[in-house]
Amino acid sequence: EVQLVESGGGLVQPGGSLRLSCAASGFSFSSYWMHWVRQAPGKGLVWVSRINSDGSTTNYADSVKGRFTISRDNAKDTLYLQMSSLRAEDTAVYYCARDGAIQPRGVSWFAPWGQGTLVTVSS
Amino acid sequence: SYVLTQPPSVSVAPGQTARITCGGNNIGSESVHWNQHKPGQAPVLVIYYDRDRPSGIPERFSGSNSGNTATLTISRVEAGDEADYYCQVWDSTRDRVVFGGGTKLSVL
Repeated sequence: EVQLVESGGGLVQPGGSLRLSCAASGFSFSSYWMHWVRQAPGKGLVWVSRINSDGSTTNYADSVKGRFTISRDNAKDTLYLQMSSLRAEDTAVYYCARDGAIQPRGVSWFAPWGQGTLVTVSS
Repeated sequence: SYVLTQPPSVSVAPGQTARITCGGNNIGSESVHWNQHKPGQAPVLVIYYDRDRPSGIPERFSGSNSGNTATLTISRVEAGDEADYYCQVWDSTRDRVVFGGGTKLSVL
């Protein structure tokens, strides 16, 4: 079964840092682009970042560029999101998602998604 | 930046047809994908490349895309279809994914 399981969420103070993980199983992790998407309380889905299959190419939403870093360890089948200089507006459930197909440039539709991990930024 | 506009809510009676729109400038020239999101659950892809259905998604779900509007159509709506639905596209000018604001489907 193809599965994505996020972890690492929690309560962090403004200005602090946190690293999210997404453990993948059931598919060839090293072949797919991967993404992070977030949803603030009561709001819609917002794309955060993506990374290509070997980790050499990354893209970010303007709102997190320079503060968040996406990375992956293909030997461990794990995706990461290092978050720093956190703000109250970063409070959200963070989902990891797999590209829906294997393409060199990515397809950017998502299947499957993980269940999400909650990040709360508050003093 | 590319903006996708969805109605905040759509209501339909069981057994009827729900149509959820996604507006964008010349969206017909883009590939549109749709996700279903129920509270507390992982989002699920229901339509990709405008009209393709992933395996396991009922035929009641269909999509179209032309001009400035893409549409997700759900026929013979069931109570279990109640969810938030999001359209998305790839913005190649800025190398980013764009989501619509989401539409809450209520089954009366």
